[in-house]
Amino acid sequence: DGGITQSPKYLFRKEGQNVTLSCEQNLNHDAMYWYRQDPGQGLRLIYYSQIVNDFQKGDIAEGYSVSREKKESFPLTVTSAQKNPTAFYLCASRRTEVSNYGYTFGSGTRLTVV
Amino acid sequence: AQKITQTQPGMFVQEKEAVTLDCTYDTSDPSYGLFWYKQPSSGEMIFLIYQGSYDQQNATEGRYSLNFQKARKSANLVISASQLGDSAMYFCAMREETTSGTYKYIFGTGTRLKVLA
Repeated sequence: DGGITQSPKYLFRKEGQNVTLSCEQNLNHDAMYWYRQDPGQGLRLIYYSQIVNDFQKGDIAEGYSVSREKKESFPLTVTSAQKNPTAFYLCASRRTEVSNYGYTFGSGTRLTVV
Repeated sequence: AQKITQTQPGMFVQEKEAVTLDCTYDTSDPSYGLFWYKQPSSGEMIFLIYQGSYDQQNATEGRYSLNFQKARKSANLVISASQLGDSAMYFCAMREETTSGTYKYIFGTGTRLKVLA
C-alpha cells in the first residue's frame, strides 16, 4: 500500500544538536510539506517542495533546513538555531495536478529537547 | 490576520447525535478550497472532506457533510450519527495560492470533539 513514512516516531535531542527527521513517500506525489504542531496552535508550515531540487520557506522556516534530492524523500533538519524545537512534526504530500486533492499525512515525529 | 478560525476549542456530543464544528475563513482569492481533517490521539491526520469555492452544492462524504455559506465565509463540518470513534481533534484548512503559483494549506487551531456514550 502507498503512503508516507516518517521516522523516528519519537526523537530526543540535546540542546545544541542538529537532528534530521525522515519523510519518505511511495505515492508518486510531486509536492511535499513539513508542518509543526504545537498545542493550541494548529499546524504551521515550515517548508514545502513542489518538485525535486526545489523548495520554498513556509511561515516558520527559521532554524530548519530541508533537501529534495529525490521525489520520494523530503528530510527535515532541525538545527541548533531553532530555539524551541520541542513539538510534533508532520510531513505531508499531495498530487499537484488535482487541485481538490487533500494532503496525505505521515504519522508524525514527536521531538523533545532534553 | 487569522485566515482560518475555529472558535470552539472543545465540544461534547452524545453518541448517535449530530454535531456541527464551526470554521470561518478569510480570503480575497475567488478560487479556493476548504478541507476538513481528523486527528485521532495517535497523531495521524485523516482527510475527511473537500469543498471548492465554485462548487454549487455542499460536499458530503458518508456521515460527514460541509455546510458551506460562501457569503458568510463559513465552512462548518456536520457529523451525523456520532460514534465513539469520532472522538478526535478536527482541523479546518484552506488551500491558498502562493506568489509563485503553487499551493499551500493554512490550518485552523482545531476543535477537540468528545463523543459520550
